[in-house]
Amino acid sequence: EADIYQTPRYLVIGTGKKITLECSQTMGHDKMYWYQQDPGMELHLIHYSYGVNSTEKGDLSSESTVSRIRTEHFPLTLESARPSHTSQYLCASSPRTGNPYEQYFGPGTRLTVT
Amino acid sequence: GQNIDQPTEMTATEGAIVQINCTYQTSGFNGLFWYQQHAGEAPTFLSYNVLDGLEEKGRFSSFLSRSKGYSYLLLKELQMKDSASYLCAVQMDSNYQLIWGAGTKLIIKP
Repeated sequence: EADIYQTPRYLVIGTGKKITLECSQTMGHDKMYWYQQDPGMELHLIHYSYGVNSTEKGDLSSESTVSRIRTEHFPLTLESARPSHTSQYLCASSPRTGNPYEQYFGPGTRLTVT
Repeated sequence: GQNIDQPTEMTATEGAIVQINCTYQTSGFNGLFWYQQHAGEAPTFLSYNVLDGLEEKGRFSSFLSRSKGYSYLLLKELQMKDSASYLCAVQMDSNYQLIWGAGTKLIIKP
């Protein structure tokens, strides 16, 4: 069973607030990802990382930042939350080696911006 | 652009067989994944195809035709717990990024 954790699970905040969504994994995986998913819609890649001090932007990255100071930790920060950020945020990780580079997902953070 | 198409919703009967199709048009191809996602939960891995043909894993099988840009997930002996969304995702290159379909919501009726 995958060991990847996200906090908080649910968050309701007001417009303009700065928030950080936490993601940690205990599997020693090099690669980590952040996705945004609206109900019934596809996952959109926000950011990803190949390892410590490596971060790359995905499709929806312009309003958020990430850091990867430690292998196990990959937090996502929204500098100024807006109602359009209301969504589910999923963190995932995958190992460097192995087949088929399966992504393991955390339980998600459901964010509501009022 | 990149495009992955799946039916939005399908309905099947408990104990029956259902086939969920996925067609893709991407600028690269390094493999195709199927994930299962129950409502309100995170996706979980089901299968991976990189070569043409059928991969069987218990009640679930996945097929790939790279020349046709086509895959399907076959679920046999359907159980009520199989009610979920099934997501098709294409790995475009060795950078491991996935392009995701919107998923097919499968409803199982008794």
